Amino acid sequence: KNQVEQSPQSLIILEGKNCTLQCNYTVSPFSNLRWYKQDTGRGPVSLTIMTFSENTKSNGRYTATLDADTKQSSLHITASQLSDSASYICVVSGPSDNAGNNRKLIWGLGTSLAVNP
Amino acid sequence: EAGVTQFPSHSVIEKGQTVTLRCDPISGHDNLYWYRRVMGKEIKFLLHFVKESKQDESGMPNNRFLAERTGGTYSTLKVQPAELEDSGVYFCASSQQQGPRFYEQFFGPGTRLTVL
Repeated sequence: KNQVEQSPQSLIILEGKNCTLQCNYTVSPFSNLRWYKQDTGRGPVSLTIMTFSENTKSNGRYTATLDADTKQSSLHITASQLSDSASYICVVSGPSDNAGNNRKLIWGLGTSLAVNP
Repeated sequence: EAGVTQFPSHSVIEKGQTVTLRCDPISGHDNLYWYRRVMGKEIKFLLHFVKESKQDESGMPNNRFLAERTGGTYSTLKVQPAELEDSGVYFCASSQQQGPRFYEQFFGPGTRLTVL
C-alpha cells in the first residue's frame, strides 16, 4: 500500500474556478511535505515545501496546508487558468541524514487536473 | 541557470539489449538522484549520489541496473540486459549540498524507455 494517497484521481474544472486537492500520508517520521506540478512530457516542478511545523504556505495562486497531527495536506488553486492543467503530486520526504541530505522522496500517484475554457 | 538535462528523451529497445541513460545536473549541485515511474504507478526513488559517491542505492531494482557518476558531474544509468518491466520514465534530479534551497530537488524532463 502506497504511503501517500491522493484524491481525487482526476478533476475537471472550468477556467476561473477554484479547486482543492487532497493528500493523506502515513510516512513517519517525515521531514517535509512537497507539492509538485508535472506538465505532460516534463519533469516535476516544486510548488511548495512545508516542514512539519508549518501549517500553510503559498506560491502565487497555489496554497498548501498541512495538518501533521492527522497527516493530511491539501493544495488549493485559486482562479484557475488553462495552464494549470497538469498532474499535481504530493510527495513526502523522510528524515534527513546527519549531513542534512533529504533522501528518498515518497510519491503519491498524483491528481490529474484539467482546466477547460 | 541551465536546468537538469537528460538524454535521450525517448528510447525504444528490444528485450535483452543494453541502454544507457544520461543526466547532466545543474552546475554546482553535488546531490544527484535517479527516479523511475512505471505506467500506472507512482514515481519511485532509485538512488542518490553525493558527488561521485553512491549515498543510497536501496531503490535499484536489481543488478541489471548500474549507475555511475565519474568525476561527480554527469551521471549515467545503464540497464543491461533490458527486460519488459524496465519500461517507464526515468527522471533525474539534482540539489545543492548546502544553501537556502539545499533540500529542493530540480528535475529533468525524463527519459521515456520502452522495452519491446
